[in-house]
Amino acid sequence: GNSVTQMEGPVTLSEEAFLTINCTYTATGYPSLFWYVQYPGEGLQLLLKATKADDKGSNKGFEATYRKETTSFHLEKGSVQVSDSAVYFCALRNTGGFKTIFGAGTRLFVKA
Amino acid sequence: GAGVSQSPSNKVTEKGKDVELRCDPISGHTALYWYRQSLGQGLEFLIYFQGNSAPDKSGLPSDRFSAERTGGSVSTLTIQRTQQEDSAVYLCASSEELNQPQHFGDGTRLSIL
Repeated sequence: GNSVTQMEGPVTLSEEAFLTINCTYTATGYPSLFWYVQYPGEGLQLLLKATKADDKGSNKGFEATYRKETTSFHLEKGSVQVSDSAVYFCALRNTGGFKTIFGAGTRLFVKA
Repeated sequence: GAGVSQSPSNKVTEKGKDVELRCDPISGHTALYWYRQSLGQGLEFLIYFQGNSAPDKSGLPSDRFSAERTGGSVSTLTIQRTQQEDSAVYLCASSEELNQPQHFGDGTRLSIL
């Protein structure tokens, strides 16, 4: 079946550090891939997405590249800020599907 | 408001009681989804609606759970005879069409004593 595996947290970084949150997936066909973010006390928000191999999604300084050969969609940011502290969820949805499968989430703490 | 609205934001109830959770999707969104976010469990898909129809109810955890949607808009998730393991944040999302990005509400935090 379809599944998403992401690195366990929490991840603690200092401001301006480089961020990588690993995400790998298992899916039949060619899924669309997503990163969602959940800020403290808020609901989930779509951060970025990629719908086919080699696509790069980007938003708010975050990037992730759809790598079919390694079935990965790692989230990166060159310089994190305290305001980036949140829980990040990697997710997939199969082509023509409706159900989004989420990873367990990775909590990020950024210290000033 | 332009976003997905859920109510109540918090609900505390005794084991064995019934609860109703409400979701008001973004106007015009035809698809609506319910998820459960349990502590340490990640996000679990429960059910989706296309219009007022829920073609697949197999994601509901037990027959104590039911959901309906009326007028292609508001949806209610009902849990009967609540158990402690039902304690979680219940998230609702909507999208313009089934395959479009989903917009989430802030969730209802349900605590069963």
